[in-house]
Amino acid sequence: DARVTQTPRHKVTEMGQEVTMRCQPILGHNTVFWYRQTMMQGLELLAYFRNRAPLDDSGMPKDRFSAEMPDATLATLKIQPSEPRDSAVYFCASGLGSGGARRETQYFGPGTRLLVL
Amino acid sequence: DAKTTQPTSMDCAEGRAANLPCNHSTISGNEYVYWYRQIHSQGPQYIIHGLKNNETNEMASLIITEDRKSSTLILPHATLRDTAVYYCIVRGLYNNNDMRFGAGTRLTVKP
Repeated sequence: DARVTQTPRHKVTEMGQEVTMRCQPILGHNTVFWYRQTMMQGLELLAYFRNRAPLDDSGMPKDRFSAEMPDATLATLKIQPSEPRDSAVYFCASGLGSGGARRETQYFGPGTRLLVL
Repeated sequence: DAKTTQPTSMDCAEGRAANLPCNHSTISGNEYVYWYRQIHSQGPQYIIHGLKNNETNEMASLIITEDRKSSTLILPHATLRDTAVYYCIVRGLYNNNDMRFGAGTRLTVKP
């Protein structure tokens, strides 16, 4: 049963520390998304990649957040330095996009619960 | 801007059909209707999607009105494990990689 995996599942850190979250998309999927979910804002799209190239990161605070795909099996989301307001659940999702008329389904990972003290 | 309107919460008796409505009056001709759900502490889970025809899969049925301004997700025999927040989303042809989640409907299935 193919699934998106995310590590770590939980992270507690202190303000100012670097946080790295990892995502392994479903094998064969070529589109990866990063979302953030909070009680106040709900689920927000931060960034997404197709074929490892960043297509849109307009939802991401540029000064402290960065997203990369070192290879097709790994996506990372880094926060440096972290702040208490970054506390949230961060979800990764993957899909199989063709760039054409097909609208792929997104499959979500279990999320990383981040608490910045 | 989620472009959809859903009731905040609904209750359903176990074993009965759960009918979750969604209004998307500004939907355009090339936009699909997607439904996801999120069970507490888990990531969102895909349920079903459609363009204009009614759709059915092993999880649910999707009924889209003829004018496409609203739809209903039907869980035919709700179980306690179907308790979750259900999100109705519309996605455009040229924004097919973006999903804007609204507040969703919190469905509580009661024994």
